Amino acid sequence: GNSVTQMEGPVTLSEEAFLTINCTYTATGYPSLFWYVQYPGEGLQLLLKATKADDKGSNKGFEATYRKETTSFHLEKGSVQVSDSAVYFCALSRIQGAQKLVFGQGTRLTINP
Amino acid sequence: DAGVTQSPTHLIKTRGQQVTLRCSPISGHKSVSWYQQVLGQGPQFIFQYYEKEERGRGNFPDRFSARQFPNYSSELNVNALLLGDSALYLCASSPRIEGETQYFGPGTRLLVL
Repeated sequence: GNSVTQMEGPVTLSEEAFLTINCTYTATGYPSLFWYVQYPGEGLQLLLKATKADDKGSNKGFEATYRKETTSFHLEKGSVQVSDSAVYFCALSRIQGAQKLVFGQGTRLTINP
Repeated sequence: DAGVTQSPTHLIKTRGQQVTLRCSPISGHKSVSWYQQVLGQGPQFIFQYYEKEERGRGNFPDRFSARQFPNYSSELNVNALLLGDSALYLCASSPRIEGETQYFGPGTRLLVL
């Protein structure tokens, strides 16, 4: 079946550090891939997406590249800020009669000043 | 434009009771999906509705049901509540059923005592 595996958290970094959160997936065919972010007490916000192999999604300094050969979609940011502290979810979407998102377990990121 | 709205924001129920959660999609969006997010985990797909018809159902018991109205708003009903139903319930909307990004509301936090 379809599944998403994320890097275990929590992750704690200092401001301006480089961030990588690993995400790998298992799916039949060619899913769309997403990163969502959840701030404390809130719902999910779409951070970025990629719909086909080698696509790069980017937003707010975050980037992720759809790697079909390694079935990965790792999230990166060159210089994190305190305001980036949140839980990050990797997800895939497959159209099989229903467009459902399959999420990873989430990675909690804390940035210290 | 307003985003996805959900009501109520918080709810406390006791075991065995029934609950109804409401969702209004983004204007122009015809597809609504429901997800359950248990504390510390990624969201799990419950239902998708499109044009008032159920298009997908996740691995949830029959105590969970939903419907979509002509104005595309939706209700999620849960009967015979169990302690394990305590979670954040998220609604997401998208313009159509295929190949579309889903946009999430802030969620309804349900606590079952």
